Formats: sequence, C-alpha cells, structure tokens
Amino acid sequence: DVKVTQSSRYLVKRTGEKVFLECVQDMDHENMFWYRQDPGLGLRLIYFSYDVKMKEKGDIPEGYSVSREKKERFSLILESASTNQTSMYLCASSLGRTRAFFGQGTRLTVV
Amino acid sequence: KNEVEQSPQNLTAQEGEFITINCSYSVGISALHWLQQHPGGGIVSLFMLSSGKKKHGRLIATINIQEKHSSLHITASHPRDSAVYICACFPPNTDKLIFGTGTRLQVFP
Repeated sequence: DVKVTQSSRYLVKRTGEKVFLECVQDMDHENMFWYRQDPGLGLRLIYFSYDVKMKEKGDIPEGYSVSREKKERFSLILESASTNQTSMYLCASSLGRTRAFFGQGTRLTVV
Repeated sequence: KNEVEQSPQNLTAQEGEFITINCSYSVGISALHWLQQHPGGGIVSLFMLSSGKKKHGRLIATINIQEKHSSLHITASHPRDSAVYICACFPPNTDKLIFGTGTRLQVFP
C-alpha cells in the first residue's frame, strides 16, 4: 500500500523561526498536497504540486512556500513562523483523480 | 455556504447502533471520497465512489449523483469506530479535493 510519511508528528517552534515540514511518498504519485486543519474549518489546501518543480497556490498560501525538487518529496516552508500558523498540517498524494493517501499529520505549535 | 456540507456535525451512539452520516454537495463532481480520521491525526481513505454503492465490512457508502448526495452507513457500530468522518469531492477538471468539515462520531460501550 502507498505510504506517505511526514517528518515529524509534533513540532514546537518559536515565532519568527523558519520551519520546514517534509513529506515523502513511495508510490510515484504525480500529485502532492499540503493542507492545514483547524477546528471548525476542516481541511484547507495550502499548496498543490502536480509534478517536479510545479506548484499551484491553494486557498490559503499566505505565509507559506513549497519546494518539490524530487517527485517523492514535497516540502512546506514557513518563512517566518507566527502564532496563527499553529495547526495540524497534513500532506497527501494521489495519482490524478484517484484515491488520495494522507500522512499521519504534523501538529505544529508556534510559541 | 460550503460547497460540501456534512450532517450531523457531531454524533453519539451506543455500541451496536446503525449510524448514518450524510454529505451534500453543490458542485458537479467526478468522484467522492469518504475519509476517516482517528484522534492523533492520520487520515485514511475508506471509499472512493462515483456511482451506486460500495461495501467494506460494516461500512457502506452510497451516492446519488442526480441528487448530489452521499451517505456513509456503519452497521453494528463499535467504540473503535469513534473518529471524524470526512466527505471530500473531486470537481471536474481538477485533481484538488473539496472537503466537508467532518462529522465527529463517538460510540459508547
């Protein structure tokens, strides 16, 4: 089965720090996604990548950037972390409009 | 108004009860996911369907494309079914899912 692995389950960072969240998938999926999940708001798309070096802004890209240098790896970067970026971050991958596979999530706290 | 609406938002049940979670969507779709998220965060895809009905163990998912509605049923519910259930849709011409806000289910022994 497909495995999507996020580098950390829990992370605590200070305001202003640069934060990297890493996601790796092992099934050669073309699509990779970063979402954040907040109570009452559900999953919101931050960025989407449909191929190496290709990216598309999602619904809430402000304060974030992404990198996809290799097909299996999709990184989310918080350039200067702020307390309103405290959230659960979920990575997912898919092959076209087929079943999506999710990572286990990273709970980020910015203090 | 969200393009994907789920009801109820919260649901409690006694072990053994039959459970239904509903999803309505306002956009045209090519397929719909039902996802399960246990405490701790990881999300698992339960079903992906574009027509009719699918069954896996005690879980059944149905979709009515004309009525823009899908249901997830759990028969003989068990405490281990306690989780958040999320409906997500693929609109045509995009690989990006649109999510409902989820239904939190708690099943008590």
